[in-house]
Amino acid sequence: AQSVTQPDIHITVSEGASLELRCNYSYGATPYLFWYVQSPGQGLQLLLKYFSGDTLVQGIKGFEAEFKRSQSSFNLRKPSVHWSDAAEYFCAVGAVTGGGNKLTFGTGTQLKVEL
Amino acid sequence: KAGVTQTPRYLIKTRGQQVTLSCSPISGHRSVSWYQQTPGQGLQFLFEYFSETQRNKGNFPGRFSGRQFSNSRSEMNVSTLELGDSALYLCASSLSVAPGETQYFGPGTRLLVL
Repeated sequence: AQSVTQPDIHITVSEGASLELRCNYSYGATPYLFWYVQSPGQGLQLLLKYFSGDTLVQGIKGFEAEFKRSQSSFNLRKPSVHWSDAAEYFCAVGAVTGGGNKLTFGTGTQLKVEL
Repeated sequence: KAGVTQTPRYLIKTRGQQVTLSCSPISGHRSVSWYQQTPGQGLQFLFEYFSETQRNKGNFPGRFSGRQFSNSRSEMNVSTLELGDSALYLCASSLSVAPGETQYFGPGTRLLVL
């Protein structure tokens, strides 16, 4: 069964500082990998996704993520955080074959940005 | 293009009642998935519909059911509500149920069971 681990429940960074959110997955092969962001009272917005090709994926809002097969990781990064980035971030995996389009989510990382 | 819409946005029910939540997908999207989000369990997959057929189901009791209509709109129903059913219910739409197809989420329906 596929699973996702986001080791950091809360992260606090200063505005303008760099950010890295960790995500590790468990799956028999390379799954589809996603990062979503959720602002308070809102649904989930897709930041980026990966399946194959270049292991560094660019997303919206200046975010990028790097896929590392050897570490089963898909960490999200941003060079300079803005106060509006404060939100909850979810890493998710999707099966490659069978199982439809179901997503399995990590528990999320709550990002706080200090001004 | 309009996004995924969910109605109602907020709902208060009492234990034992039943509730129906509605989801309208993005125009042209034929797949709808439902997820439950709670502080304790996080985001959990409920079910997935495509062309009016349930294609996938999560590990939830039979009190949770859903359906999809010919216009791709979907409803989910929870019968005999329990306190633990209090959650944010998120609907997501995608073009198909092909693996990796991007899912676009609605704002959710927040259900409070008293």
